[in-house]
Amino acid sequence: EDQVTQSPEALRLQEGESSSLNCSYTVSGLRGLFWYRQDPGKGPEFLFTLYSAGEEKEKERLKATLTKKESFLHITAPKPEDSATYLCAVAHMDTGRRALTFGSGTRLQVQP
Amino acid sequence: DTGVSQNPRHKITKRGQNVTFRCDPISEHNRLYWYRQTLGQGPEFLTYFQNEAQLEKSRLLSDRFSAERPKGSFSTLEIQRTEQGDSAMYLCASSYQRGYLENEQFFGPGTRLTVL
Repeated sequence: EDQVTQSPEALRLQEGESSSLNCSYTVSGLRGLFWYRQDPGKGPEFLFTLYSAGEEKEKERLKATLTKKESFLHITAPKPEDSATYLCAVAHMDTGRRALTFGSGTRLQVQP
Repeated sequence: DTGVSQNPRHKITKRGQNVTFRCDPISEHNRLYWYRQTLGQGPEFLTYFQNEAQLEKSRLLSDRFSAERPKGSFSTLEIQRTEQGDSAMYLCASSYQRGYLENEQFFGPGTRLTVL
């Protein structure tokens, strides 16, 4: 059973068309939820860390929110340069592991 | 540049050969992680170090894989007797851990391994 599920798998938007990406998780003992952006052939680039339900973080056109079972990455008025894969990852204590468990990502394409 | 660096960026090898990758973390970070990523998937955890101690290894890390972090500085990941299934992007990340809550990890550019 997947512990971190991201939806949709792919999303195509027109420039300026706002939308949201979803990350749902089934782990307990959440010790952090992280959003990353990844461009093709590159390593993930850190965006946000969220720790508690109700917490929100914002950066330029991106806003991340967290509930007890999911997180959303809201993209307001996206631009073509926002095109990338957005990854969600959780740190948890289900298995005592310290490393991050990643979702498969949402591939975002913003067309001019 | 004070980010995480990895070398080489690309490696092409023949099946059965040994390969070694290097990762230089952000200097003040005490934790170093190795992940593997295949096309269309998120990174999968392989192993991590707290300073020089290797504290956790994934089931993905077979006996052919070994990692070291001498003196708690840079780290190497060696794959012996490579197989075509080892072809992937190998990512290194580092973080500074100071409490129960997990801090963000910063990733390097990765090493793309192709096994022929």
